[in-house]
Amino acid sequence: DAGVIQSPRHEVTEMGQEVTLRCKPISGHDYLFWYRQTMMRGLELLIYFNNNVPIDDSGMPEDRFSAKMPNASFSTLKIQPSEPRDSAVYFCASSSSPSGTGYYGYTFGSGTRLTVV
Amino acid sequence: AQSVTQLDSQVPVFEEAPVELRCNYSSSVSVYLFWYVQYPNQGLQLLLKYLSGSTLVKGINGFEAEFNKSQTSFHLRKPSVHISDTAEYFCAVTYPGSARQLTFGSGTQLTVLP
Repeated sequence: DAGVIQSPRHEVTEMGQEVTLRCKPISGHDYLFWYRQTMMRGLELLIYFNNNVPIDDSGMPEDRFSAKMPNASFSTLKIQPSEPRDSAVYFCASSSSPSGTGYYGYTFGSGTRLTVV
Repeated sequence: AQSVTQLDSQVPVFEEAPVELRCNYSSSVSVYLFWYVQYPNQGLQLLLKYLSGSTLVKGINGFEAEFNKSQTSFHLRKPSVHISDTAEYFCAVTYPGSARQLTFGSGTQLTVLP
């Protein structure tokens, strides 16, 4: 398996522009998570999906952020309009439903480093 | 809600020396504990996990961790480090059955010096 695939790896954009980050989860995983990593706040969960349905988006910072999962193999995180404070590394992770132990086996992608100038 | 404290933000150590990265958590209920490693410009990779059973957990790359319920700690250890172990290490905690609440510590940068 190729793992969780994110694109692009790096994105530099100007303030005010729309940015779209993409994620392909591991085949067969029915949970998908979007995280943001910054020096100030560390790793934060933004939103997660189960079977393509958003379950909890309480971590999404503002209405400028939106996420979709149109099918089991693809998700996007969109920022419109982007601002310099959105600069961060955005990670996607996927997992299968928990086993009897209640353990979700998260697998993380390599991340997208976003710089908004 | 649970929380995780990584007591050291940076740990420099010489090659072939032992290392311990400290992690303490707070929770009023049973938890699952994890250590992840992040190499430069890469994603997070699971080093090891504690779900139940033996309190000494062995992971990849020669790392191990010990769950201590009375001290609410889950320290990561390696008896002899290599240059290639230079990375950032994250302790994380979640509740059994919880998808939402995987909480990460602030990370410890391990730098192995020649």
